[in-house]
Amino acid sequence: DTTVKQNPRYKLARVGKPVNLICSQTMNHDTMYWYQKKPNQAPKLLLFYYDKILNREADTFEKFQSSRPNNSFCSLYIGSAGLEYSAMYLCASSLGRGTEVFFGKGTRLTVV
Amino acid sequence: AQSVTQPDARVTVSEGASLQLRCKYSYSATPYLFWYVQYPRQGLQLLLKYYSGDPVVQGVNSFEAEFSKSNSSFHLQKASVHWSDSAVYFCALSMANTNKVVFGTGTRLQVLP
Repeated sequence: DTTVKQNPRYKLARVGKPVNLICSQTMNHDTMYWYQKKPNQAPKLLLFYYDKILNREADTFEKFQSSRPNNSFCSLYIGSAGLEYSAMYLCASSLGRGTEVFFGKGTRLTVV
Repeated sequence: AQSVTQPDARVTVSEGASLQLRCKYSYSATPYLFWYVQYPRQGLQLLLKYYSGDPVVQGVNSFEAEFSKSNSSFHLQKASVHWSDSAVYFCALSMANTNKVVFGTGTRLQVLP
């Protein structure tokens, strides 16, 4: 099974409320990623886990948290959602460096 | 900083015509390069990848891409497109010393029947 699963597919959140997005993969990949995708923009890397080590991008460091309780699962947490967080969130995974990255179908987050 | 540029936001071609989608990258070391495709309501799927060796790589659905170190490019090509090729195509760069993958903004391809 070469799929990355994301739940939910659609998420509605209120401004100021927390949001938690879930991702799983059963390919035993060592790296899991979270990207934010807005219309007509490139997928923007937010953070990634290499094994148990979390790497967060400098410009989104304080906006997103993540946890990876085991190799298969990874979550993305927004403590207080703002309107600017409305986007598609893509989870992905890979094994090793420079290898194919497998993507989930995404969670579309709408903040109102 | 590493970056990927896809200069064409939209490309429209007729079915049966040839296709080239452009991709330029900026990276000082040897890049790993990818093309991904996203069909409506689907996740990104890998079309092809370049690591080293022959600069022309073959992918799924008769797509191919040519790596040019001198031009810092990795253009995607297809000899004859089908209406089902209509999708958004992303060029991506992976760096050898990190797990990071950087994407271009994508090119939306519309194939007219």
